[in-house]
Amino acid sequence: SQQGEEDPQALSIQEGENATMNCSYKTSINNLQWYRQNSGRGLVHLILIRSNEREKHSGRLRVTLDTSKKSSSLLITASRAADTASYFCATDPFSGTYKYIFGTGTRLKVLA
Amino acid sequence: EAGVAQSPRYKIIEKRQSVAFWCNPISGHATLYWYQQILGQGPKLLIQFQNNGVVDDSQLPKDRFSAERLKGVDSTLKIQPAKLEDSAVYLCASSLGGYREKLFFGSGTQLSVL
Repeated sequence: SQQGEEDPQALSIQEGENATMNCSYKTSINNLQWYRQNSGRGLVHLILIRSNEREKHSGRLRVTLDTSKKSSSLLITASRAADTASYFCATDPFSGTYKYIFGTGTRLKVLA
Repeated sequence: EAGVAQSPRYKIIEKRQSVAFWCNPISGHATLYWYQQILGQGPKLLIQFQNNGVVDDSQLPKDRFSAERLKGVDSTLKIQPAKLEDSAVYLCASSLGGYREKLFFGSGTQLSVL
């Protein structure tokens, strides 16, 4: 079953604009990760945020985590055409087994 | 560092045929995952290995899917017999320890069942 759900499902912006996508999940987690997937390729890890962290930065990426609302957001600043991809959140829920459950993804298109 | 290797890249079969996918994880990675990704959806975990042992196979359709990890390194995923709904990309991933760590993915095998 899908633990995470990204919102919006699709997003189209102009180069240079910021892109924000959200992930909501159902059960308490140990950590949350964001991945990028270019068309026809495997997923690439972007950032990991632990349940006791509220915000993390990596280059043009900013991730926030609100465990009380069971949600996370990924902000890409000053977007580029190369950022065009699908973005997925993956959660590691408190389930006794250590496994990552992926959300449904946000398809981002950055127009040059 | 070499990435996760998967083969074949593409496979087209008829329903009721069998098919096998191969994965070679990053050297030294103890945990190996097989995910199924249907078009337009997120990856769904099929099976997770820690070294030779199975950690989780709760979503593996065991009547038709099987997987093994030989000597804690390479892994094969088999479907026998295939159904139309098995058309998907099969992704292999590995991680160093398995807990609270990032996953490294291969490029996947795109399976079309006709």
